[in-house]
Amino acid sequence: GQQLNQSPQSMFIQEGEDVSMNCTSSSIFNTWLWYKQDPGEGPVLLIALYKAGELTSNGRLTAQFGITRKDSFLNISASIPSDVGIYFCAGRIQGAQKLVFGQGTRLTINP
Amino acid sequence: DGGITQSPKYLFRKEGQNVTLSCEQNLNHDAMYWYRQDPGQGLRLIYYSQIVNDFQKGDIAEGYSVSREKKESFPLTVTSAQKNPTAFYLCASSTAGTSGRAHQETQYFGPGTRLLVL
Repeated sequence: GQQLNQSPQSMFIQEGEDVSMNCTSSSIFNTWLWYKQDPGEGPVLLIALYKAGELTSNGRLTAQFGITRKDSFLNISASIPSDVGIYFCAGRIQGAQKLVFGQGTRLTINP
Repeated sequence: DGGITQSPKYLFRKEGQNVTLSCEQNLNHDAMYWYRQDPGQGLRLIYYSQIVNDFQKGDIAEGYSVSREKKESFPLTVTSAQKNPTAFYLCASSTAGTSGRAHQETQYFGPGTRLLVL
């Protein structure tokens, strides 16, 4: 069953605004991954995090592995039209073999 | 170029028919995965394989079958027992496998196959 809560489910913003989304769980994670999916395509890996407190950037994207190991955050600064899509978090619970996925955040940008 | 390929892009299934979705990777990854994605939903794991000739059921394996005869290939068969097969199917691979590096897993996805029922 679903073990990750991703929020918000959708966002409608103006071009140039900053974006924040997060994933939370009651379980402890040892890996957090953030993906972006365009319509009809497979998810593309944006950022991978492996250590509590880790803060990693990829261009205008920054993600953090929460210090409690139960959450992760993704921020996008100065959004542009090509940022439109669905963003998924995924994580590996400590001791588990498989990844669990959030339900995604759909980002829409008004030019 | 290294990557994961899935074919076909679109697949149509008739009532009672088995269909097979192809997934190939040249990343030398040990582990491969099949996920199902329904509109507005997250990804649900169907089957996964951490090593050649071995695979395990995921959360929604009923009505599906897989094989892992080669490291590079992990085909998924959607059988006639799967009563609601219409979905977007995603294949992924990772280095996790049995290498002991599970804590550093990074999964990469293919472009997906959309299966539609006629």
